[in-house]
Amino acid sequence: GAVVSQHPSWVICKSGTSVKIECRSLDFQATTMFWYRQFPKQSLMLMATSNEGSKATYEQGVEKDKFLINHASLTLSTLTVTSAHPEDSSFYICSAIYREITDTQYFGPGTRLTVL
Amino acid sequence: DAKTTQPPSMDCAEGRAANLPCNHSTISGNEYVYWYRQIHSQGPQYIIHGLKNNETNEMASLIITEDRKSSTLILPHATLRDTAVYYCIVRVGNQGGKLIFGQGTELSVKP
Repeated sequence: GAVVSQHPSWVICKSGTSVKIECRSLDFQATTMFWYRQFPKQSLMLMATSNEGSKATYEQGVEKDKFLINHASLTLSTLTVTSAHPEDSSFYICSAIYREITDTQYFGPGTRLTVL
Repeated sequence: DAKTTQPPSMDCAEGRAANLPCNHSTISGNEYVYWYRQIHSQGPQYIIHGLKNNETNEMASLIITEDRKSSTLILPHATLRDTAVYYCIVRVGNQGGKLIFGQGTELSVKP
């Protein structure tokens, strides 16, 4: 139980285009999901908290107009990187809270974004 | 949420127990200790969590000191596949709070 998937697992795009990443909780409902970003040899950095049916809460320094988050259902959250640039190249990871186990967060496998 | 301190790296021989320490001297009474690990280029994997009692599951054991200011994650028989970065995080439970990752401990299991 408590499986989180992400799609795609990797994506390469041209500078200036937009990329959408999906995060799904496969066997549980998640009212809260989180999006993280990880650069090489660094730890995970929280970008935003996504609550089903409401606007996401972004961490300080994260541009909400650049990183659009939608949490339309209890099993799906999406992150859209708009007008991507090479500096947006990173490993993007989502997590979902499984309330039945003390709000433990379960993570997806991550999406590797490369912007050319 | 309280901050944690972990050694940046540790080595362990395959088949031996790996004991990973974590200091969380400012932990509050309602904060849980969570352990995750991240194998290279994968998402973090939940290992175990606890409040004040020692916990054990199929992956590991968590030993929390009586004053709750530190804890130790024990992998009883480390294998090469346990090579990963291990993160100790404290967080209030049952409130849907975010996890703030530190630098973790890079565990290398050697044959």
